[in-house]
Amino acid sequence: AQSVTQLDSHVSVSEGTPVLLRCNYSSSYSPSLFWYVQHPNKGLQLLLKYTSAATLVKGINGFEAEFKKSETSFHLTKPSAHMSDAAEYFCVVSVGYSSASKIIFGSGTRLSIRP
Amino acid sequence: DGGITQSPKYLFRKEGQNVTLSCEQNLNHDAMYWYRQDPGQGLRLIYYSQIVNDFQKGDIAEGYSVSREKKESFPLTVTSAQKNPTAFYLCASSMTGLDGEQYFGPGTRLTVT
Repeated sequence: AQSVTQLDSHVSVSEGTPVLLRCNYSSSYSPSLFWYVQHPNKGLQLLLKYTSAATLVKGINGFEAEFKKSETSFHLTKPSAHMSDAAEYFCVVSVGYSSASKIIFGSGTRLSIRP
Repeated sequence: DGGITQSPKYLFRKEGQNVTLSCEQNLNHDAMYWYRQDPGQGLRLIYYSQIVNDFQKGDIAEGYSVSREKKESFPLTVTSAQKNPTAFYLCASSMTGLDGEQYFGPGTRLTVT
């Protein structure tokens, strides 16, 4: 079975400070892992994707995530927050390309940036 | 511009009426998806289609129906059997299956009173 847990529903940081959004997952198979960002009343945009290549994945807008199999984690980080980073972030786990395919979205983490 | 369009952006219906949400893509993607998003929750998969004339139920298909007669189009009908239809509905597409990057439309906010 697959599941994904975003450990914080809301994170608030000051502009220019590091961002850490935490995600733990479980999967019976080798999963694909994603982080998506959603601005208010908009669709989602892919930030980055892990599919069993390099464990440190670099994405758009300076974000990156590290796949740690031993900890079943896929935390999203950014060295320096910008006001435009304020949005909802979703960690996603998916498996397969068949009738047994499954995709699970985390419940989301709302990121607020203080001036 | 390539992308996914959903129309309308806001939709209002009376309880007991069926309503169809439009989703069109010009990305030449094989797979298309419908999700429902409720406040404070992640997305939940309603239906997905990996090729024309074929689709599978997702986690919350009850009260919904879809068709996939053309590669570009994947309309979703919210029927009167859906007990709590008010939500934000998102359509997406991908080149491959569920393990591929998905491209999302801007969403349709449906309100049923």
